Amino acid sequence: SQKIEQNSEALNIQEGKTATLTCNYTNYSPAYLQWYRQDPGRGPVFLLLIRENEKEKRKERLKVTFDTTLKQSLFHITASQPADSATYLCALDLDTGRRALTFGSGTRLQVQP
Amino acid sequence: NAGVTQTPKFQVLKTGQSMTLQCAQDMNHNSMYWYRQDPGMGLRLIYYSASEGTTDKGEVPNGYNVSRLNKREFSLRLESAAPSQTSVYFCASSRAEQYFGPGTRLTVT
Repeated sequence: SQKIEQNSEALNIQEGKTATLTCNYTNYSPAYLQWYRQDPGRGPVFLLLIRENEKEKRKERLKVTFDTTLKQSLFHITASQPADSATYLCALDLDTGRRALTFGSGTRLQVQP
Repeated sequence: NAGVTQTPKFQVLKTGQSMTLQCAQDMNHNSMYWYRQDPGMGLRLIYYSASEGTTDKGEVPNGYNVSRLNKREFSLRLESAAPSQTSVYFCASSRAEQYFGPGTRLTVT
């Protein structure tokens, strides 16, 4: 069965450092992978989409890599700020015919001032 | 431009009661989705609609029905609520990336 794994333990880092979150998947070759941010009590918010033929994508302080050989995506936040504290979800289209995403359970990031 | 709206925000039901969760989007998206989110489980797809007039089951459809009323609106119905349906429900719409509503927090006692 398809599986998406994100570190369930919270990631605690100091302000100004780079946060790196991992998303691993098995048994599939998705056409693209997406990252979302979710704050407590709110719906997820889209951050970045990276396609299978793209190795890296950047948006301001965010960087995503996508290694289809390792079946892994890394999500980096550089110069992290306390306002970056949230849960980050990765999502893949595990069935392109359905145009539906399968989400990981997310990793909570806590940036300490 | 409101994005995706959901009603109600909160609801408490007794076992066996029915209710409909409403969702609307103003982004002219063809695809719409209903998810539930439980602690430690992540978002799980209940039903989705790739276009007006079509609906398909997701990962956890049992106990739910949906209606794609028009391009803007996609409703989720619980015919006979069970405690296992206590959850937070999110509606989303998309082209490629998904846009989520604020969620409905449902408790079934």
